[in-house]
Amino acid sequence: GAGVSQSPSNKVTEKGKDVELRCDPISGHTALYWYRQRLGQGLEFLIYFQGNSAPDKSGLPSDRFSAERTGESVSTLTIQRTQQEDSAVYLCASSPRGPGHNEQFFGPGTRLTVL
Amino acid sequence: AQKITQTQPGMFVQEKEAVTLDCTYDTSDPSYGLFWYKQPSSGEMIFLIYQGSYDQQNATEGRYSLNFQKARKSANLVISASQLGDSAMYFCAMTLISGGYNKLIFGAGTRLAVHP
Repeated sequence: GAGVSQSPSNKVTEKGKDVELRCDPISGHTALYWYRQRLGQGLEFLIYFQGNSAPDKSGLPSDRFSAERTGESVSTLTIQRTQQEDSAVYLCASSPRGPGHNEQFFGPGTRLTVL
Repeated sequence: AQKITQTQPGMFVQEKEAVTLDCTYDTSDPSYGLFWYKQPSSGEMIFLIYQGSYDQQNATEGRYSLNFQKARKSANLVISASQLGDSAMYFCAMTLISGGYNKLIFGAGTRLAVHP
């Protein structure tokens, strides 16, 4: 079956522009997570969706970052007025349900470069 | 606050030898889970193994085993019979089960190089 997909795979933008990153989770997965991975570092949690609600947005670094999810499918992470420190790989993951232990299935990531 | 510490930025191992990657964690919550993920140069995150805080036995998955020492708050990954394809970044991560969902807190990672 299809795994988690993300688009675009690479995005180069100029400082100050807005970008949208897309995540298509595995069908039927109700939980969706966004993470950021700066070069040479571990992953930082950004936001969690259960269905189309976001009970935990605690990892969003500033109000320039926002995300939404349509039902239990596609999610979009939007970064407004991008800054050079936003350059990173943005990873999306999904899992079958929220509570308890479930393996998270990761997408290939979107590499964002802000010039 | 929860924290994962991986103190080995890089490790080397000879092919066919075993290697241990260190991970310590910090939480006051009694219900948590510990994960190890592998990230090859391609960038994908590959789940390797999981250990729950109440699990009585150490987790094993093929050549991977997790040396879980609860009192020391350590969850080291042991890879037996290393293969060249094991060369990658390895991340230890934790989730709080009582939180009701699986927000993962990651360590900084250990880069493993397997030499022929």
